[in-house]
Amino acid sequence: GQQVMQIPQYQHVQEGEDFTTYCNSSTTLSNIQWYKQRPGGHPVFLIQLVKSGEVKKQKRLTFQFGEAKKNSSLHITATQTTDVGTYFCAGQGVDYKLSFGAGTTVTVRA
Amino acid sequence: DVKVTQSSRYLVKRTGEKVFLECVQDMDHENMFWYRQDPGLGLRLIYFSYDVKMKEKGDIPEGYSVSREKKERFSLILESASTNQTSMYLCASSFLSRDRGETQYFGPGTRLLVL
Repeated sequence: GQQVMQIPQYQHVQEGEDFTTYCNSSTTLSNIQWYKQRPGGHPVFLIQLVKSGEVKKQKRLTFQFGEAKKNSSLHITATQTTDVGTYFCAGQGVDYKLSFGAGTTVTVRA
Repeated sequence: DVKVTQSSRYLVKRTGEKVFLECVQDMDHENMFWYRQDPGLGLRLIYFSYDVKMKEKGDIPEGYSVSREKKERFSLILESASTNQTSMYLCASSFLSRDRGETQYFGPGTRLLVL
């Protein structure tokens, strides 16, 4: 099955700044999903990208799926304290198995 | 709203004990999963099930077994708990939809400490 690598593992951001987390798969994916886990909580689905080169936005969050469908990114603009948590990407292969990245844990300094 | 519940939020067990973790979902999902979450390692799949009485090994099945006797319930069993099984255990359920793929819905997690 595919292996999904995610970087950086930790991101410490000044409130108001932007940051990006990246996800790379060893194989071509049928889709990629992003989840957010708040401190003390469980992962919650954010979005799914299916098409090559797809870009989707959710307010200050921009998600991209690479042309080769092997990588993805999440970009957050004007970071707020509510953005604190761990963001996971999860790649779904042709066998429908979902492989999670290790996550990027985001902390915000006011 | 999809609801996935887990039998305990916190559990403390001794080495060698048999441990049962139970997960129940109320959305009639076919697919259910057990993960463990450890710092720096993300979510690692232990076992999953695509139907009642069916089970498949995930990436780290050693030391675990599962049971799916009813569609809504998926149990994870540690036959003889060891200290390296101290972790957060997350259950998830999903169905395959045309527009959302196989989105997974997670339970609140069980934090297991094995002494």
